Amino acid sequence: DAEITQSPRHKITETGRQVTLACHQTWNHNNMFWYRQDLGHGLRLIHYSYGVQDTNKGEVSDGYSVSRSNTEDLPLTLESAASSQTSVYFCASSRGPNTEAFFGQGTRLTVV
Amino acid sequence: SQQGEEDPQALSIQEGENATMNCSYKTSINNLQWYRQNSGRGLVHLILIRSNEREKHSGRLRVTLDTSKKSSSLLITASRAADTASYFCATDPVADSWGKLQFGAGTQVVVTP
Repeated sequence: DAEITQSPRHKITETGRQVTLACHQTWNHNNMFWYRQDLGHGLRLIHYSYGVQDTNKGEVSDGYSVSRSNTEDLPLTLESAASSQTSVYFCASSRGPNTEAFFGQGTRLTVV
Repeated sequence: SQQGEEDPQALSIQEGENATMNCSYKTSINNLQWYRQNSGRGLVHLILIRSNEREKHSGRLRVTLDTSKKSSSLLITASRAADTASYFCATDPVADSWGKLQFGAGTQVVVTP
C-alpha cells in the first residue's frame, strides 16, 4: 500500500545545530507540504512543493528550507535550530487541486 | 494567519449524542475539507466538499457548506468513544489553486461512554 513516512519520529537537538527531517511518500503525488503544529495554532504551513525542483515558502518559513530533487522526498532542514522551533512537524502529500491530503505520523522535535 | 476558525474549541458529549462543530473562513475557496487527528497521530481525511456543493454525507458524518456566509459545519451523529479526537477544517483557497491547504486550530471532541 502507498504511504507517507516521516523520520525520525522523535528528536532532541541542541540550539544552533542543523537538523533535517525526512519525508518520503510512495503515492507518486506531485504536491508535498510541511506543517508545524503548536498548541493553540493548529497547523501552520512551513514550505510546500508542487513538483520536482519546485519549492515555495509558507506562512512560517523563516529558519527552514526544503529541496525537491525527486517526486518521493521533501526533506525539511532547520538551518540553525532555535527553541522556538520546538514543535510537532507533519509532512503531507496530495495528488493536486481538489484532492485530499495524506499525512505522515509526525516528528516531535525538541530544541534544548 | 489562519484561514479557517473552528467553533467550539472543545466539545464534551456522551456516547450516542450528536456532535456539531463549525468552521468559518475568510477568502473564496475551491473546496473545504475536514480532518480528524487522534492523540499523537497524523491527520486523517474525513470528507471534501467542493464550493458548488451544499451538503455531503459519509457514514455518520454530515458536512454542510454555505459559501455566502463562508462557513461549514461537521455533524457526527450517534457518537462513539472512538470519535474522541481533534477535528480540523482546511480550506483550499481560490487564490492558490494547486491544492495548498490552510488549517484552523481545531475542535477537540471528547466522547464519554
